[in-house]
Amino acid sequence: AQKITQTQPGMFVQEKEAVTLDCTYDTSDPSYGLFWYKQPSSGEMIFLIYQGSYDQQNATEGRYSLNFQKARKSANLVISASQLGDSAMYFCAMREGLGYSTLTFGKGTMLLVSP
Amino acid sequence: EAQVTQNPRYLITVTGKKLTVTCSQNMNHEYMSWYRQDPGLGLRQIYYSMNVEVTDKGDVPEGYKVSRKEKRNFPLILESPSPNQTSLYFCASRPGTGGSSYNEQFFGPGTRLTVL
Repeated sequence: AQKITQTQPGMFVQEKEAVTLDCTYDTSDPSYGLFWYKQPSSGEMIFLIYQGSYDQQNATEGRYSLNFQKARKSANLVISASQLGDSAMYFCAMREGLGYSTLTFGKGTMLLVSP
Repeated sequence: EAQVTQNPRYLITVTGKKLTVTCSQNMNHEYMSWYRQDPGLGLRQIYYSMNVEVTDKGDVPEGYKVSRKEKRNFPLILESPSPNQTSLYFCASRPGTGGSSYNEQFFGPGTRLTVL
């Protein structure tokens, strides 16, 4: 079974609108962390936001917020007021447990922001 | 500037010609890893290293070797590259365990490899 599932291969949104990118995860470890990365067409991986499994509040970083629903095992990324520069591939990732465990990635969602 | 560097950034080679992709980080991180990225598959881990002289296989290690002789360097070696190793490769590093599942992972800029 996949540990990270991103069901939307591509999403379209108009500039200034909000968009939600879906991510569900599968783990039996009570300690885990969830990450979102952005990959623009230039190829680099840019860290956006992190949510720990014990964090009581949803993480926020500027226009990015993470809608963390622990019981549903979902960690959706919400981008408010989309900008043209948000057009990129977005990856959800999870690290289970503590220490040196692997960061496992989903297959990604391509977001296109139109004027 | 804190960074992970990879070289070369682009490489076109032929089947069977040994190659090495270098990776270096200047943040004194214990943990380093290599990923490959293929369309529709996301990033998959090839090998990782928890510290000097400690390496282990990730999800897709076949056809690759690594070494960790110094803390800052973690080269990826393809002894006999094949066309199915054509991919975008990322090196990454992060601090070692601190009792947290956090520890942001820093990525290199990527190496685009084509094997003909």
